[in-house]
Amino acid sequence: AQSVAQPEDQVNVAEGNPLTVKCTYSVSGNPYLFWYVQYPNRGLQFLLKYITGDNLVKGSYGFEAEFNKSQTSFHLKKPSALVSDSALYFCAVSSPGGYNKLIFGAGTRLAVHP
Amino acid sequence: EAQVTQNPRYLITVTGKKLTVTCSQNMNHEYMSWYRQDPGLGLRQIYYSMNVEVTDKGDVPEGYKVSRKEKRNFPLILESPSPNQTSLYFCASKARTSGSLGGELFFGEGSRLTVL
Repeated sequence: AQSVAQPEDQVNVAEGNPLTVKCTYSVSGNPYLFWYVQYPNRGLQFLLKYITGDNLVKGSYGFEAEFNKSQTSFHLKKPSALVSDSALYFCAVSSPGGYNKLIFGAGTRLAVHP
Repeated sequence: EAQVTQNPRYLITVTGKKLTVTCSQNMNHEYMSWYRQDPGLGLRQIYYSMNVEVTDKGDVPEGYKVSRKEKRNFPLILESPSPNQTSLYFCASKARTSGSLGGELFFGEGSRLTVL
């Protein structure tokens, strides 16, 4: 069965420092991996995805994520955090043939302090 | 502007009083889906629809109904709401184009439902 784990409920980082939000997954076959962000009182917004190709994927707002097949991870990163990055981040996974099935992690709240 | 619109955004109701949350998208997307978001559980899929008149259960369909009579609309129906259906609900859509198994979802702003 597909599953996604976001091991940290909250990540705290100072503005200007690099940030990492962790995600590990379990899926049969090659995974399709996504990151979404949710700002307060808003719907989820797509950040980036990995389907195939380069393991380092670049997305919106300066975020990037690295696909690591051996560690079954897809951590979200940003070199320099902004206060405006503070939000709830969700990792999600689907498998080929699982078009209708996108499994979300529980979410990680990112707090960037000035 | 491309968007998914949900109504109402906020609703407080009582146990057993039927309600409908509407969802409409203007992107001509084939695929639409409903999720509920609960603290610590992330988003869980309730129902989805691959196209008009085609719907199927997600992970937590109990107590919910849906219909897809038109491509743009995908209402969520709670025939007899109960307090355990108090949650934040999201509608989402995406295009079903060839080779687009990895297409991203577009989400509505959410509907916060409280059942007393």
